[in-house]
Amino acid sequence: GEDVEQSLFLSVREGDSSVINCTYTDSSSTYLYWYKQEPGAGLQLLTYIFSNMDMKQDQRLTVLLNKKDKHLSLRIADTQTGDSAIYFCAESFTGGGNKLTFGTGTQLKVEL
Amino acid sequence: GAVVSQHPSRVICKSGTSVKIECRSLDFQATTMFWYRQFPKQSLMLMATSNEGSKATYEQGVEKDKFLINHASLTLSTLTVTSAHPEDSSFYICSAVSEGGLSYNEQFFGPGTRLTVL
Repeated sequence: GEDVEQSLFLSVREGDSSVINCTYTDSSSTYLYWYKQEPGAGLQLLTYIFSNMDMKQDQRLTVLLNKKDKHLSLRIADTQTGDSAIYFCAESFTGGGNKLTFGTGTQLKVEL
Repeated sequence: GAVVSQHPSRVICKSGTSVKIECRSLDFQATTMFWYRQFPKQSLMLMATSNEGSKATYEQGVEKDKFLINHASLTLSTLTVTSAHPEDSSFYICSAVSEGGLSYNEQFFGPGTRLTVL
């Protein structure tokens, strides 16, 4: 089975960088994703990375993928109070029919 | 573009009644929709995969007679919680994949439905 683990909570000061980590066990993933969930709402796709890439940068977001260690991270530069939310990593698999396996979620709190 | 709506956003019902939740793709056709359940401060648990015109595929441990899924058109899937009980209280989220979808298989998520069973 697939297990995707994240640390539960991260607190940062406004303007600092945030790094949210994710570890997974199944190496057959095709794409890995980062989603943001605000209270009482659905999920918003922030970014994704193909499994044969090491890094992807998109404005304030940087995704790093270490396939050897099965480790995925999301760095948010210049974190703002509006970034406070729960962040989920997720992976899809070859032959998985678009199914996603979600991580346990990390609650990011941005303090002034 | 790529908006998914859910209705209702919140519902409170009595134990033993049935509740229907609708998931609509507003500006695209969805060959596949997914239904998730999320408990407070927990991750999303996939309940079932809904394909237009065919029977839903349920994940292990999800009772198909309890959670009825119908995907009658390319823009609408419904989840009916039958004979609801307090333990069915949860946040239900649907997602949709666009027909002829993107290479990275993006799922577009609805805003969720909060079900409370008294």
